[in-house]
Amino acid sequence: QKEVEQNSGPLSVPEGAIASLNCTYSDRGSQSFFWYRQYSGKSPELIMFIYSNGDKEDGRFTAQLNKASQYVSLLIRDSQPSDSATYLCAFDMDSNYQLIWGAGTKLIIKP
Amino acid sequence: ETGVTQSPTHLIKTRGQQVTLRCSSQSGHNTVSWYQQALGQGPQFIFQYYREEENGRGNFPPRFSGLQFPNYSSELNVNALELDDSALYLCASSPVAGTGAEAFFGQGTRLTVV
Repeated sequence: QKEVEQNSGPLSVPEGAIASLNCTYSDRGSQSFFWYRQYSGKSPELIMFIYSNGDKEDGRFTAQLNKASQYVSLLIRDSQPSDSATYLCAFDMDSNYQLIWGAGTKLIIKP
Repeated sequence: ETGVTQSPTHLIKTRGQQVTLRCSSQSGHNTVSWYQQALGQGPQFIFQYYREEENGRGNFPPRFSGLQFPNYSSELNVNALELDDSALYLCASSPVAGTGAEAFFGQGTRLTVV
């Protein structure tokens, strides 16, 4: 069983709309959850991290965490073509020295 | 730009050869983690070094080894290269061990094994 599941996409969203990305995880002991953006051929860059149940907002980005249901989501408001990338979610293992990653969702923002 | 630099950026090796990849961590960061990312996959944790000691290891065989130096830069060594070792190798540095919250990635080294 995969530890992190993401829809591979591609997810196509019109410019200006809200993009919704989802991720489910299997380790109930996970404490910290991360969303990274990765442009083709580039390394991942951290968008947001979240520890507590509920929502965390940073500019156009909102991360939502539901530990009981074991999912974390990322909403991107007012989507821009520059948001087109692969979005990876990851979480800390209990042992706290590594990140476990999903395979990523490819997001395409259409002008 | 994150301040984490990796070298080389691209590399082609023959099966059975050995390779060394290098990473200079961001100033003030004493922890370096290495990841392997195959095409279309998420990164897979290889190991982490904290103050020159291995601080955790993922599910990789012993032919993957590493070092961290007193200046906190790091090397990843892979012996007896296999075709499946072809991937993007990522180095991430952070100011504390065991957290991903402040981990900054280098640009990666693209390794191709032929």
